[in-house]
Amino acid sequence: GAGVSQTPSNKVTEKGKYVELRCDPISGHTALYWYRQSLGQGPEFLIYFQGTGAADDSGLPNDRFFAVRPEGSVSTLKIQRTERGDSAVYLCASSAKRGQAETQYFGPGTRLLVL
Amino acid sequence: AQSVSQHNHHVILSEAASLELGCNYSYGGTVNLFWYVQYPGQHLQLLLKYFSGDPLVKGIKGFEAEFIKSKFSFNLRKPSVQWSDTAEYFCAVRGATNKLIFGTGTLLAVQP
Repeated sequence: GAGVSQTPSNKVTEKGKYVELRCDPISGHTALYWYRQSLGQGPEFLIYFQGTGAADDSGLPNDRFFAVRPEGSVSTLKIQRTERGDSAVYLCASSAKRGQAETQYFGPGTRLLVL
Repeated sequence: AQSVSQHNHHVILSEAASLELGCNYSYGGTVNLFWYVQYPGQHLQLLLKYFSGDPLVKGIKGFEAEFIKSKFSFNLRKPSVQWSDTAEYFCAVRGATNKLIFGTGTLLAVQP
């Protein structure tokens, strides 16, 4: 079946601009995660949704970052006043079951470059 | 705080050589452990996972990993690598919260 999809695959923007990154989870998956992967690093957790609500946003680096999931399916990660340090690959993952038996499935990522 | 350490950042092997990639984590409670793989130009894929039970888990493509609780380790092994195993490998742990904590990854290059 279809996996997690993310759009756009690449985004180039200028410092100070606003960007939105979209994630379509696997159909029926209730949990959705955003991670950020910088060059030479593993993915780092940003935020986790269970349904429509953000269950854990402890990984968001500052208040320029915000994410929504209004209908419990598609999610949008929003970054205001982008900075060069925001350049990274933003990964989305979804899972069908929370708790001990949960496995997260990752999308291809959006590569963000802030000039 | 939870953390994951992958000791080898870059490994180069010849085909048919045996592979062992180290992974250690720091967390005192019950953990779930994962190895993900990222082939060139592709997204992260699950290789194998440990939730409970037999500490020796088998994954796809002949990979296996052993959970040794006393050593806080979850090393990945394969007896005979192939050129197609060239990829980046990430170890990850999940503790009390749902988020995954990843290591920095190991880049494996298999020479034909």
